[in-house]
Amino acid sequence: DGGITQSPKYLFRKEGQNVTLSCEQNLNHDAMYWYRQDPGQGLRLIYYSQIVNDFQKGDIAEGYSVSREKKESFPLTVTSAQKNPTAFYLCASTAGSQNEQYFGPGTRLTVT
Amino acid sequence: AQKITQTQPGMFVQEKEAVTLDCTYDTSDQSYGLFWYKQPSSGEMIFLIYQGSYDEQNATEGRYSLNFQKARKSANLVISASQLGDSAMYFCAMREAWGYQKVTFGTGTKLQVIP
Repeated sequence: DGGITQSPKYLFRKEGQNVTLSCEQNLNHDAMYWYRQDPGQGLRLIYYSQIVNDFQKGDIAEGYSVSREKKESFPLTVTSAQKNPTAFYLCASTAGSQNEQYFGPGTRLTVT
Repeated sequence: AQKITQTQPGMFVQEKEAVTLDCTYDTSDQSYGLFWYKQPSSGEMIFLIYQGSYDEQNATEGRYSLNFQKARKSANLVISASQLGDSAMYFCAMREAWGYQKVTFGTGTKLQVIP
């Protein structure tokens, strides 16, 4: 079955540590996105990528980094520079501008 | 810059009744797409319906329809015959049709269906 996988579902880290969230898709989609969602809030765009080896900052990119070395993979690193990293992180991909985004199940990151 | 506004933080609807969730948007682009997603308490995002800026007819998908008023820049979601399983967060989103195709989401509306 085609889809997006994010691992792990729950992640716990100590403050000051970098952590990388995985996002893999087998839908052959060109575009991929990372969102952050805080409790009771909407989705805020962190980074997005239209093609391999190219990505753009979203609205809240500070303290995050990404790479897009392969079409199917778009990992997100939450660095120690991110002041409030505890949140629900969602990865998405899409086939084109008129197509909906497919979302992964999300990763809940807790930093203490 | 794109902006999506959902002014209803929470809504209640009686089971089997229809409900309208509001969404207004702001963009200088002529070509764009509008989407609605449902997010149950499990956290997954479920695509509901899509409307292109050049589509002349309102989109419909089963019990969901999108009331698209381009001049007013509104894209309201109408859910007919509400079911208990419709209780969830609902998000309106817009994507640029060209360039980097950035996607912007609204803050969401929490819908609760009452038996």
